[in-house]
Amino acid sequence: AQKVTQAQTEISVVEKEDVTLDCVYETRDTTYYLFWYKQPPSGELVFLIRRNSFDEQNEISGRYSWNFQKSTSSFNFTITASQVVDSAVYFCALSEFLNDYKLSFGAGTTVTVRA
Amino acid sequence: DADVTQTPRNRITKTGKRIMLECSQTKGHDRMYWYRQDPGLGLRLIYYSFDVKDINKGEISDGYSVSRQAQAKFSLSLESAIPNQTALYFCATSDSATLDRGRETQYFGPGTRLLVL
Repeated sequence: AQKVTQAQTEISVVEKEDVTLDCVYETRDTTYYLFWYKQPPSGELVFLIRRNSFDEQNEISGRYSWNFQKSTSSFNFTITASQVVDSAVYFCALSEFLNDYKLSFGAGTTVTVRA
Repeated sequence: DADVTQTPRNRITKTGKRIMLECSQTKGHDRMYWYRQDPGLGLRLIYYSFDVKDINKGEISDGYSVSRQAQAKFSLSLESAIPNQTALYFCATSDSATLDRGRETQYFGPGTRLLVL
């Protein structure tokens, strides 16, 4: 069964629009971590954020913000005032104590920001 | 210089050929991983190694083997390549020195694009 679901396959926005990427996870564990990675067109994977299951405080980093809600098993990612450089594939991932903290990735969401 | 390097970056090979993908890191991390990325499937774990003497199968290890030659080097081999092994392959590293293993963040290499004809 898929542990991490990114329901949006592709999102296209115009520059300066906000875009929210959904991530829903499934786990029986009480101790786990959630991650977001960015894969720009050049192909490398860039770490964006890590959040543990005991810290539901939302986080903001520049134009990026993350909303973690355990009640709905979601860890959504919002890009505010999007820019062309934000065009990339974004992956949500889960690591669980019961799975030896190996990463389980979602299928990814492709974001295209048009000028 | 990049902390995690992969060679080659691109490779075209024929069905039945043996091929090796190499990964080196200068981060001083003890843990290394190999993933493959296929469109619409995200990344899937092939093998992982928690130290030089430790090798573990991941989700999709069939058709692959690995070698951890040193703490800094982790190679992935396709003994007899087949077309459905055409994919983007990533190496990653993490550091178990953090107090909580779950805090380990994996850092990825630039990837190797493999095409098996």
